[in-house]
Formats: sequence, structure tokens, C-alpha cells
Amino acid sequence: QVQLQGSGPGLVKPSETLSLTCTVSGYSISNGYYWGWIRQPPGKGLEWIGSIYHSGSTYYNPSLKSRVIISVDTSKNQSSLKLSSVTAADTAVYYCGVSPYYYYMDVWGKGATVTVSS
Amino acid sequence: QSALTQPASVSGSPGQSITISCTGTSSDVGGYNYVSWYQQHPGKAPKLMVYDVSNRPSGVSNRFSGSRSGNTASLTISGLQAEDEADYYCSSYTGSSTLVVFGGGTKLTVL
Repeated sequence: QVQLQGSGPGLVKPSETLSLTCTVSGYSISNGYYWGWIRQPPGKGLEWIGSIYHSGSTYYNPSLKSRVIISVDTSKNQSSLKLSSVTAADTAVYYCGVSPYYYYMDVWGKGATVTVSS
Repeated sequence: QSALTQPASVSGSPGQSITISCTGTSSDVGGYNYVSWYQQHPGKAPKLMVYDVSNRPSGVSNRFSGSRSGNTASLTISGLQAEDEADYYCSSYTGSSTLVVFGGGTKLTVL
């Protein structure tokens, strides 16, 4: 049973880069699937950030594309999210997950809370 | 404003059936068989309940079913139980550059 756990700094200053890691257990990233990220601002709905295929192909939400990089590190069995030039609007719970296709999320991690504040 | 439209809330009594709608356009919900539904309890990560319009992942109760008519997808929960009380979100692939869009969510209350 694949399990995912997102982690990273809970507090990021405005204009800096948010960096999160998703550690995967129970499955090897190099074996396949799409590894994605979705976020949820406090009290609001879900927003798709993007996804990466195990081989490296990426798919991003155009509204975030200029600021987002999603990558995988197969040696560490981790997926990573970097979001640059953050503002208060990027404050959210960030979820990582996995799926056979990038347009839905099959298994979700517990989420990492990130607050953007000086 | 979300790309897909869901009712803000629905309610039902235990044992009843309820349906949550998700309205989009021919560019998303109506154009592709790629609608999914998620259940989210407070403080928890969402859980996939239906994918590709009407398919249930392994382990999801058959009380949950998905369907679509035109540009509107629906999630029906039969035999309502207290544990079904949660927020529900629909999502769809879209042929536009946005790729994936969500509904604003529906709060289900079990009376």
C-alpha cells in the first residue's frame, strides 16, 4: 500500500520560494504513475497545482506555471514542489499524491500546512 | 469563482439517497470521461470516491455512484450514513490549457 507524507517549512516569507517534499513509501517512484500536488487555502476549495510522470514529463496549472517546478528524485523516492515569489495568497495546505493519470489523485498524503507571512 | 459549479450544501436523513451535481461545459465535464469526485472530512486529506465519471476505486462503498448527463456530472450516495457527512468536490479534465479544474465543493449534512 503506497503511502505519502508531505513535509517542509511551515512558514515562508513573502517573495521567497516555498519548497516541499513528498516522501513515498510502499512503492518505487521509478516504477511508474503520476506524482501530483494539490493545494487548499484555509476555508476554501481545492486547486490543482500540477503533476509529473515518473519519467519526468510535467503538467502544470497555467495560473501557477511561471512559478512552479515539480520534480522527482528516484534515488530518494521523493517528489518535490517549488513555488517561487510567494504571497499571502499561497498560504494553504499542500497535498501530494499519486495516480495512474494526472487528471485525478488516487492516493493522497496527509498534507503540509504552509503559511506565507513576514 | 470555481470553474465547475456545485451546490454549496445538501442534506439528507440516514437511509435516504442524495445527489450532488457538478455543472461544467462541453470543454470539460461534457467533453471527456474524466470526471472525478472526492470526499473530505474536516481536517483530513480528500479521498477519491469516483473517477472517470462512474468508476469506484477499490475499497469505496457501492453506495457511492457517479454519472453524467450532458455538461452535468452527479454523485449519488444511497443509504445515507452519519459517516458520509463531509465536503465533496468534483473535478474534471479540461481541453483548455488549464488541464484540471475543480468545483467549489458541497457540504453534505446528515440530519
